[in-house]
Amino acid sequence: NAGVTQTPKFQVLKTGQSMTLQCAQDMNHEYMSWYRQDPGMGLRLIHYSVGAGITDQGEVPNGYNVSRSTTEDFPLRLLSAAPSQTSVYFCASRHKVNTEAFFGQGTRLTVV
Amino acid sequence: AQSVTQPDIHITVSEGASLELRCNYSYGATPYLFWYVQSPGQGLQLLLKYFSGDTLVQGIKGFEAEFKRSQSSFNLRKPSVHWSDAAEYFCAVGSGYGNKLVFGAGTILRVKS
Repeated sequence: NAGVTQTPKFQVLKTGQSMTLQCAQDMNHEYMSWYRQDPGMGLRLIHYSVGAGITDQGEVPNGYNVSRSTTEDFPLRLLSAAPSQTSVYFCASRHKVNTEAFFGQGTRLTVV
Repeated sequence: AQSVTQPDIHITVSEGASLELRCNYSYGATPYLFWYVQSPGQGLQLLLKYFSGDTLVQGIKGFEAEFKRSQSSFNLRKPSVHWSDAAEYFCAVGSGYGNKLVFGAGTILRVKS
C-alpha cells in the first residue's frame, strides 16, 4: 500500500521556468491538498480538492495551479517559478468522513 | 478564521524527563485537532487526533493530549522522553470540509542525554 506518493523528491528550477509536482494516492480518498512548508511558518495550504473536478484556493494560492481529473491524482503546477517559491511541498489526502490527513514525503524545490 | 499558536519555538528536555508542548487554537465551531511529528527530512506522521468525546486522547509512541475547550488548548504530553523523540512537532486544527488544516509554526524538541 503506497499511500501518498510525491514526485520528484528534489528539484532545482531557474526563475521563470514552469514545472508540475505530481501527487498520487491509492486510498480512494476524496479530499486532497497541497501545502508548502517554510521555516518558522508551519505548513500553509496552497490549494485543495474535495473530489474529482472540484478545486479551491487555500491560504497561499498565487503562482500555483491545480486540477483534479481523477480521484487518485492532484498535480500542482508552478506557472513561472520565483525564488519566493523555494520551499518544501507536501501533498496530503484524507477520506471525507472524520479521518486524519495522510502526507507524502515531500518535494524540496529550489528556485534560483 | 482558524489559527493555531505554538508559543514555544524550541524546547530542550533531558532524556527521561516529562514533556509538555503547548498549543492554542482559534476556531468558531467544534474543532478537529491534531498533533503531527516530523523528523528531519521526513514527512509528517500523525501522533494523535481529537474529533469528539473523551477530551484526553492517547496517541502513538506514548504521547497523549488533552482538549480543554475553556482554554482553547490542546497540549501534547509525554511522561518520559526518549532521545528518539527529538523532532519537530506541529499542532493543527481542521474543519470537516475539504482538507483544510491550519498548522502552528511548530516546536522543535531537543533531547539531551
